[in-house]
Amino acid sequence: AQSVTQLDSQVPVFEEAPVELRCNYSSSVSVYLFWYVQYPNQGLQLLLKYLSGSTLVESINGFEAEFNKSQTSFHLRKPSVHISDTAEYFCAVTPTGANNLFFGTGTRLTVIP
Amino acid sequence: NAGVTQTPKFRVLKTGQSMTLLCAQDMNHEYMYWYRQDPGMGLRLIHYSVGEGTTAKGEVPDGYNVSRLKKQNFLLGLESAAPSQTSVYFCASSSHGQGGDEQFFGPGTRLTVL
Repeated sequence: AQSVTQLDSQVPVFEEAPVELRCNYSSSVSVYLFWYVQYPNQGLQLLLKYLSGSTLVESINGFEAEFNKSQTSFHLRKPSVHISDTAEYFCAVTPTGANNLFFGTGTRLTVIP
Repeated sequence: NAGVTQTPKFRVLKTGQSMTLLCAQDMNHEYMYWYRQDPGMGLRLIHYSVGEGTTAKGEVPDGYNVSRLKKQNFLLGLESAAPSQTSVYFCASSSHGQGGDEQFFGPGTRLTVL
């Protein structure tokens, strides 16, 4: 069975400050890892994903996440946040070769002007 | 392309009433999914489909039925709504079911059961 833990339900941060959203997972099999973002009143959008290869993956809008197998983590980071980054962020996993996504409970990022 | 669309956007039901939520995608995707989103619980998979004419149970299938008569549509039915089914429902689709595929989500349906 798979599970995903996002310990921080809310993260307030000032504009242009760095941010880290934490994600830990548990699985008895190999997994793929994802971060999805949900802007207010919208559906989820894929932010970035790790399938294989380099453990550091980046998104087009400046976010990055690093897969750490020994710590079973996939934390999301951005060195300088913008107001437009205010959203809810979901970490998710799926067993390799399967199609079911297992989501964490989400972290609401609020960027303060 | 419209992507993934959902109908209706909002609905209020009384306990025991039935309704059907419609999901449509125009990306020719094989796989489609229904999730529910509840505060503090993230998204949970209700049912999914790996192709036209197929359906399968997810994590929380009880109280729901689904049908995939056409490749582009995936219907979620509530036969006898209960207050515990008050939630936001999201439909998603992906081109294949291999784990690395991106799932594309619709805008959601907010359902309240009184």
